[in-house]
Amino acid sequence: AQSVTQPDIHITVSEGASLELRCNYSYGATPYLFWYVQSPGQGLQLLLKYFSGDTLVQGIKGFEAEFKRSQSSFNLRKPSVHWSDAAEYFCAVGVRGGTSYGKLTFGQGTILTVHP
Amino acid sequence: EAGVTQFPSHSVIEKGQTVTLRCDPISGHDNLYWYRRVMGKEIKFLLHFVKESKQDESGMPNNRFLAERTGGTYSTLKVQPAELEDSGVYFCASSLDRALGLFFGSGTQLSVL
Repeated sequence: AQSVTQPDIHITVSEGASLELRCNYSYGATPYLFWYVQSPGQGLQLLLKYFSGDTLVQGIKGFEAEFKRSQSSFNLRKPSVHWSDAAEYFCAVGVRGGTSYGKLTFGQGTILTVHP
Repeated sequence: EAGVTQFPSHSVIEKGQTVTLRCDPISGHDNLYWYRRVMGKEIKFLLHFVKESKQDESGMPNNRFLAERTGGTYSTLKVQPAELEDSGVYFCASSLDRALGLFFGSGTQLSVL
C-alpha cells in the first residue's frame, strides 16, 4: 500500500521569502502525485499534479513541484510567498491503472503561517 | 458553474444519534468520492461512486456508515448510530476524468458529543 509523509507539520515564513514544503511517498511504481491547498473555510484546491513527462511541474498561484524518483519526493516550492498563501497544504498519491484514480492517499498536511 | 456543495457545513450531535451528510457534485461528474479527516490525522478515502454504483467502498470504517447516490446525482452519507470517534471533517469530491483530477467541497465538520 502506498503512503505519504509530510515531515513538517507547521512552517512559518516571512512574506517575500522562498518556500519549500517536503513530501515523500512510498509506492511500488511511479505514482500520480498531487499537491492540494486548503484555506480556512474552503475546500481542497488542486495546486498541481504530476502524471508523467517533465518532472518539474508548474501549478497555480506561482507554485511548482519537482518529482524526484531517486528520492521518492515531490516537494512543493514557491520563490516568493504572499500573505494569502497562508493555508494548509496536502501532498497526495494516486494509483495508476484501474478506475479508482481518485482514490488518493494523503499526507498529514503542512500548515503554513506567513509573517508580514 | 457551481462547485461541489456539501451540506451542512457543521453538525453537532450526541452519541447514538443519526446524522446525514449531503454532497452535490459538479453537474455531469459521474465520479463522486467521500473522504474523512479525523482530527490530527490524514485525510482518508471512504468510498467511490461511479454514477449510482459503488465502485470502491474499501475505506468505509464499519456498517454504521451508509452511503447512497440514488439517480447518480447527489450523494448522502448517513452515520447511524454516531460514535465519538466519528467526529471529523467529511469531504466530498467529484471528478469528470483522470486528467482533470478531483474537485473537493468545503467539507462537513461533524462533532459527536
